[in-house]
Amino acid sequence: DVKVTQSSRYLVKRTGEKVFLECVQDMDHENMFWYRQDPGLGLRLIYFSYDVKMKEKGDIPEGYSVSREKKERFSLILESASTNQTSMYLCASPPGTGTGISYEQYFGPGTRLTVT
Amino acid sequence: AQKITQTQPGMFVQEKEAVTLDCTYDTSDQSYGLFWYKQPSSGEMIFLIYQGSYDEQNATEGRYSLNFQKARKSANLVISASQLGDSAMYFCAMREHSGGSNYKLTFGKGTLLTVNP
Repeated sequence: DVKVTQSSRYLVKRTGEKVFLECVQDMDHENMFWYRQDPGLGLRLIYFSYDVKMKEKGDIPEGYSVSREKKERFSLILESASTNQTSMYLCASPPGTGTGISYEQYFGPGTRLTVT
Repeated sequence: AQKITQTQPGMFVQEKEAVTLDCTYDTSDQSYGLFWYKQPSSGEMIFLIYQGSYDEQNATEGRYSLNFQKARKSANLVISASQLGDSAMYFCAMREHSGGSNYKLTFGKGTLLTVNP
């Protein structure tokens, strides 16, 4: 009954490294989202995608980029990791079409990234 | 300005009592959706309840109900008969349009609910 998976639960990287966080959904959804979650700040939207090769900036895109080459896979890229990017990263994918109404948003288990 | 405001960082409730978690929102869209999610200590996000802006009745799902007051732009979550397993972080979220037919989901900062035995 797996719906949204993320490549790693825990990741430790060094400052300046290029980091790839992968998210895969097996539900044939068009929409996919990347959030980061920090204590006291809730979930903040980084980037989202409503179709293959389409992307849109969220509220905090600085320092991040994304890639959506296939419908089921949405990658978050930290071009040069910094310590302030230490956080929990959550991927989500709502059911329905890109133009439809969806009543819930399936989340992945999260990746806890530590940048040292 | 915050789109979603949850003013209660933490709440305590006695087991079997009801509790209300506050959420106010800000949008200029006429069509939007409001969600509540639960995040236990294990970290997964669990969808609880949804309210559409045009829904005339308040949404209910088992012990969860959403007290939707459109004019006040509030969407409070009411949990009846609290259980120990309800102890978790609760997030209010809003779906609004992001150009064309696309949309994004914005979250509040969350409320940590502790249910006492």
